[in-house]
Amino acid sequence: DGGITQSPKYLFRKEGQNVTLSCEQNLNHDAMYWYRQDPGQGLRLIYYSQIVNDFQKGDIAEGYSVSREKKESFPLTVTSAQKNPTAFYLCASSIETYNEQFFGPGTRLTVL
Amino acid sequence: AQSVTQPDIHITVSEGASLELRCNYSYGATPYLFWYVQSPGQGLQLLLKYFSGDTLVQGIKGFEAEFKRSQSSFNLRKPSVHWSDAAEYFCAEVDAGNMLTFGGGTRLMVKP
Repeated sequence: DGGITQSPKYLFRKEGQNVTLSCEQNLNHDAMYWYRQDPGQGLRLIYYSQIVNDFQKGDIAEGYSVSREKKESFPLTVTSAQKNPTAFYLCASSIETYNEQFFGPGTRLTVL
Repeated sequence: AQSVTQPDIHITVSEGASLELRCNYSYGATPYLFWYVQSPGQGLQLLLKYFSGDTLVQGIKGFEAEFKRSQSSFNLRKPSVHWSDAAEYFCAEVDAGNMLTFGGGTRLMVKP
């Protein structure tokens, strides 16, 4: 089955630690995205990548970093510089940026 | 700046009643428009999309949406709501940068 996987589903970290969220897709999509979702605030774009080895900042990139070394993978690192990292993180992919996006199941990160 | 507006943050309907969720877009004479649904703690699932052609679009789960250029609207409808339709619904539009812009979402609650 083609789709997007995110792991883990739930993640707990201590304050001050960096943490990396995994996102893998087997849809052969060129574009991939990371969103943050907080209660009542909809989706906010963190980073996106249109092609391997290239990525752009979204609306709230501060405190986050990404890499795109393989077409299938777009991991997100939440660094200790992110002031309020506790949130629900969604990864998505699309053929092109103007096409519909397919979403993974999300990772809920809680920083203690 | 272009934006997608969902005027209703919360809507409650009785099971079996009809549903209409409002969406207003702001960019483009021929916009690319989408409706997504998100169950609690899950990723987003595409319900339907409009690129061109027939202004009444059929989607999955019995949903439909109507594109009205004169009103800059793309409202989502369902003739008879089921308890399983309780979720959050997001409207989205492709913006000038060929990126999806999401509305703030409408949370639907279904009364038995």
